[in-house]
Amino acid sequence: GAVVSQHPSWVICKSGTSVKIECRSLDFQATTMFWYRQFPKQSLMLMATSNEGSKATYEQGVEKDKFLINHASLTLSTLTVTSAHPEDSSFYICSAILAGAGDTQYFGPGTRLTVL
Amino acid sequence: DAKTTQPNSMESNEEEPVHLPCNHSTISGTDYIHWYRQLPSQGPEYVIHGLTSNVNNRMASLAIAEDRKSSTLILHRATLRDAAVYYCILRVGWDYKLSFGAGTTVTVRA
Repeated sequence: GAVVSQHPSWVICKSGTSVKIECRSLDFQATTMFWYRQFPKQSLMLMATSNEGSKATYEQGVEKDKFLINHASLTLSTLTVTSAHPEDSSFYICSAILAGAGDTQYFGPGTRLTVL
Repeated sequence: DAKTTQPNSMESNEEEPVHLPCNHSTISGTDYIHWYRQLPSQGPEYVIHGLTSNVNNRMASLAIAEDRKSSTLILHRATLRDAAVYYCILRVGWDYKLSFGAGTTVTVRA
C-alpha cells in the first residue's frame, strides 16, 4: 500500500523558534497533500490543502503567515511553524492523495511538537 | 458540510463482530461515505468507503441504507489491534477534503 512518512516524529523547541516538518510520499506521486492538527483528546482539524507547484489553501482561522506550507515536488510537502509558542504544541499529521485516485487519503504517522 | 453522528464509544469482545453505526441524514447525492480509524498516537488509516452499494474489503464491510441516511461499518471478528477511534466521514464527490468528527472509540476486551 501507499506509504507516507513524516520527519521528525517528535520535536521539542523553545518558544519563538521555527520548526519545519516534512511529509513525504515514499512510493507514489501525490498531487495533493493535506495538513492536520490534533490536540489531546480531540479530533483532527484540517489546516490546509497543499498542491504541488502552487500556493496552499488554508482553512478558515489558520494563519498562513504562521504555518508556512511548501509543496515543491510530487513527493514532498513541508510545514514550517514560525515563531512557535506553547499553544502551538500539538500533533501534526499530513496526508497525501495518490495522483489520479483521490478516493483514499494516506496518512503519515504524525509529528508531536512541544514548544517550551 | 454534511454532518455525521456516531456513538461516542462501543465495547466488544475479541473475535466477535462489531457493528458501528453512523447517521448522516443530510447526505447529498454526491457525498461518498468514508471510514477511517486512528490507533493511539498514530495517523489515521483508511478503512473503507462507498457511495450507494454495500462494500467489502479485507478490513471490513460497509452496509449502506437504501435511503443513504445511515450506514454501518462491520468488523467481522474484532481483535485487540482493532481498538481505535473510528471516523465516519462524508466526502463531497468533487472535493477530496475530509472533515473529521469526534468518531467512535472502540474498545476490544480480550
